[in-house]
Amino acid sequence: AQRVTQPEKLLSVFKGAPVELKCNYSYSGSPELFWYVQYSRQRLQLLLRHISRESIKGFTADLNKGETSFHLKKPFAQEEDSAMYYCALRGNQFYFGTGTSLTVIP
Amino acid sequence: DTGVSQDPRHKITKRGQNVTFRCDPISEHNRLYWYRQTLGQGPEFLTYFQNEAQLEKSRLLSDRFSAERPKGSFSTLEIQRTEQGDSAMYLCASSYHQGQGDGYTFGSGTRLTVV
Repeated sequence: AQRVTQPEKLLSVFKGAPVELKCNYSYSGSPELFWYVQYSRQRLQLLLRHISRESIKGFTADLNKGETSFHLKKPFAQEEDSAMYYCALRGNQFYFGTGTSLTVIP
Repeated sequence: DTGVSQDPRHKITKRGQNVTFRCDPISEHNRLYWYRQTLGQGPEFLTYFQNEAQLEKSRLLSDRFSAERPKGSFSTLEIQRTEQGDSAMYLCASSYHQGQGDGYTFGSGTRLTVV
């Protein structure tokens, strides 16, 4: 069965510190993984996708098939990164994790 | 076209009443999805359309729920005989299905409160 697990509901880091939001998945086929972000009072929006191997707003995520993980990382957190982050796995539709609320402390 | 639009933004209804939500996707997108999100949870899939065809429905979509996309453009989600457990944010998203890598564009959602 398809499943996405985000073990941390809440994560706080200081400005300038590295941040890592964890995501593990379960999927029998070849996975497509995404990260979505929701800033306060804004709609859910796509942050990045593993297939394009891009860096968006300083964030990167590497798909590790051996560990079935797709952790989101940023070397230096900024206050504007405070938001809700959802990891998602694409099958016929998207399966979302429960989300991690990131707070960057000034 | 400014993105995915959902109407209304908020709906308060009494238990037992019927409600209908509307979603207008991005015009060139052929896929339209409905999700439900409750507090502390990620979005949960309800159903999706490719053009006017409803291709998949979640078991979360009880027989009180029905969705349509009659002309392959806008979609409606109706909930009959609402229950307090239906209180949630209902999200619509659209995408242009062209293979790997396509993500969704989400609307702002309709927040339903059943009292």
